[in-house]
Amino acid sequence: IAGITQAPTSQILAAGRRMTLRCTQDMRHNAMYWYRQDLGLGLRLIHYSNTAGTTGKGEVPDGYSVSRANTDDFPLTLASAVPSQTSVYFCASSDLAGATDTQYFGPGTRLTVL
Amino acid sequence: GQNIDQPTEMTATEGAIVQINCTYQTSGFNGLFWYQQHAGEAPTFLSYNVLDGLEEKGRFSSFLSRSKGYSYLLLKELQMKDSASYLCAVRDSNYQLIWGAGTKLIIKP
Repeated sequence: IAGITQAPTSQILAAGRRMTLRCTQDMRHNAMYWYRQDLGLGLRLIHYSNTAGTTGKGEVPDGYSVSRANTDDFPLTLASAVPSQTSVYFCASSDLAGATDTQYFGPGTRLTVL
Repeated sequence: GQNIDQPTEMTATEGAIVQINCTYQTSGFNGLFWYQQHAGEAPTFLSYNVLDGLEEKGRFSSFLSRSKGYSYLLLKELQMKDSASYLCAVRDSNYQLIWGAGTKLIIKP
């Protein structure tokens, strides 16, 4: 059982390029989330999905898009990367029907936009 | 606005006890979480409080006072492996987690 996997582990990207960060979970959780983590700031929610087929905007959605075609996968796309999108990106999932709805995190993708 | 405050950094000695405080101002409250994050790794779940009082889990305990907008994480019998950042997060009325910036805990021998 892997839990949540993310790919790639790290990436250096030229500004203006398109990039998709992948996230897959095998826990059959209904909810999935994308966060970015920057030094000195708390985790900030980019987009979320409460169930397959639905998505919602978080605190910092501009420049990012997501899709949720099935329960397991939740890719995050940067249509045209900018240097301010340099960050560590974490995908998480949770069981909304669970007692605490605890979020469990993937290992992260370290993205550098030059 | 919504705000979660934690100390930026704390230092403690191996074998000792340390208390990490978290104060919050959020639109609504639907639970408070503590996570541990080692450098370069993902956050991992430590504890959850939704009612006032103390929740104990081995060497770690977490306390909540909803009326004061206050929580703390208590770590006992500190070990070197406890050197990490500790993140406080509150679930708000929209059922989203609002995160503090984290407290970096340095353990000295």
